[in-house]
Amino acid sequence: SQTIHQWPATLVQPVGSPLSLECTVEGTSNPNLYWYRQAAGRGLQLLFYSVGIGQISSEVPQNLSASRPQDRQFILSSKKLLLSDSGFYLCAWVPGQGVTGELFFGEGSRLTVL
Amino acid sequence: AQSVSQHNHHVILSEAASLELGCNYSYGGTVNLFWYVQYPGQHLQLLLKYFSGDPLVKGIKGFEAEFIKSKFSFNLRKPSVQWSDTAEYFCAVNFMDTGRRALTFGSGTRLQVQP
Repeated sequence: SQTIHQWPATLVQPVGSPLSLECTVEGTSNPNLYWYRQAAGRGLQLLFYSVGIGQISSEVPQNLSASRPQDRQFILSSKKLLLSDSGFYLCAWVPGQGVTGELFFGEGSRLTVL
Repeated sequence: AQSVSQHNHHVILSEAASLELGCNYSYGGTVNLFWYVQYPGQHLQLLLKYFSGDPLVKGIKGFEAEFIKSKFSFNLRKPSVQWSDTAEYFCAVNFMDTGRRALTFGSGTRLQVQP
């Protein structure tokens, strides 16, 4: 069966420090991978998605970047965190051939920037 | 641009009351529709989905939703809620003909069921 792992689960970082959140999917090949951010009262905002290694689509210009160095690995990064980067970050995947769009979510990473 | 709207941000009900949560989207093309639920302390999980066919779809835990194409709506319903239904509910839409291979989510509705 397929599983998705995110880490770290919780992170407290000072403003201006770097960030790296990692997501790995197991049990599938060539998934589409996604990073969403969940903020209270604002739902889920799509940050990045990837349909293959090295292929990144960015939804909003911001302080974050994403990379996909391997087929089942998706990394969210920042060189210098801002207070506004605080939030709950969710990684999700879809089978590569799936056209319906049904997402499977990880358990999330809560980032607090102080 | 395509968007998804959930009009109820916070709903408080007593057990056994009926529930209806609204979801509307703005797009004239083909859509796939989803409701996700997030119970306290748990990850997002799929409640139900619509791709095609019968516009009334049934999901887990007694939930159902009706797709009304003419109203661009996909409202979630449950005849009698339980305390365990306390959670946040998200409507999501896949706008199929746009080339964008990602779901667009509404802002969510927090449901609180009082015993």
